Amino acid sequence: GQNIDQPTEMTATEGAIVQINCTYQTSGFNGLFWYQQHAGEAPTFLSYNVLDGLEEKGRFSSFLSRSKGYSYLLLKELQMKDSASYLCAVRAGGGNKLTFGTGTQLKVEL
Amino acid sequence: EPEVTQTPSHQVTQMGQEVILRCVPISNHLYFYWYRQILGQKVEFLVSFYNNEISEKSEIFDDQFSVERPDGSNFTLKIRSTKLEDSAMYFCASRDTYYEQYFGPGTRLTVT
Repeated sequence: GQNIDQPTEMTATEGAIVQINCTYQTSGFNGLFWYQQHAGEAPTFLSYNVLDGLEEKGRFSSFLSRSKGYSYLLLKELQMKDSASYLCAVRAGGGNKLTFGTGTQLKVEL
Repeated sequence: EPEVTQTPSHQVTQMGQEVILRCVPISNHLYFYWYRQILGQKVEFLVSFYNNEISEKSEIFDDQFSVERPDGSNFTLKIRSTKLEDSAMYFCASRDTYYEQYFGPGTRLTVT
């Protein structure tokens, strides 16, 4: 099976930088995804990593280390609208289903 | 920008009744998925569908569940005899040949 761990909650200040970590254990790893989910809404895609290293996309960056089973999502210049749940998801094996972690609820404060 | 749509947004049904949740994936997408999220819990995979057949399904997706693509645009999830524990948000997702899955806004199913 697959095991995905991420912190339950984090709090950060507007304008700051926050790093949300995700560790996973899986066989047949085939990609790691980060999604943002506001309460009562659908997950929206943020980033995808399949090779080791950093992927940057505006204020959001995501890092992957396959050997360590570790990823993080970095959010810069935090805004109040970034308050949401951030979901780490892994794709493994020959299929394309996503297995999600429980999500990290980020609260951005003034 | 094209998007996945789902109807209804909220469905209330009595235990034992059949429900059909409807999705219209993005038009040129080939792969379709259903996920569910029980309130306060993680998003869980139910089933994937490609080329008019199920390509993968989870343990949750038992004989009470079925999927269908009745025409060129709709993708449906049927629950034959709903149970209280089927109460959840159900998300449809689709993708083309690339990796990103686009999620619809969800249908909140409440079983009473």
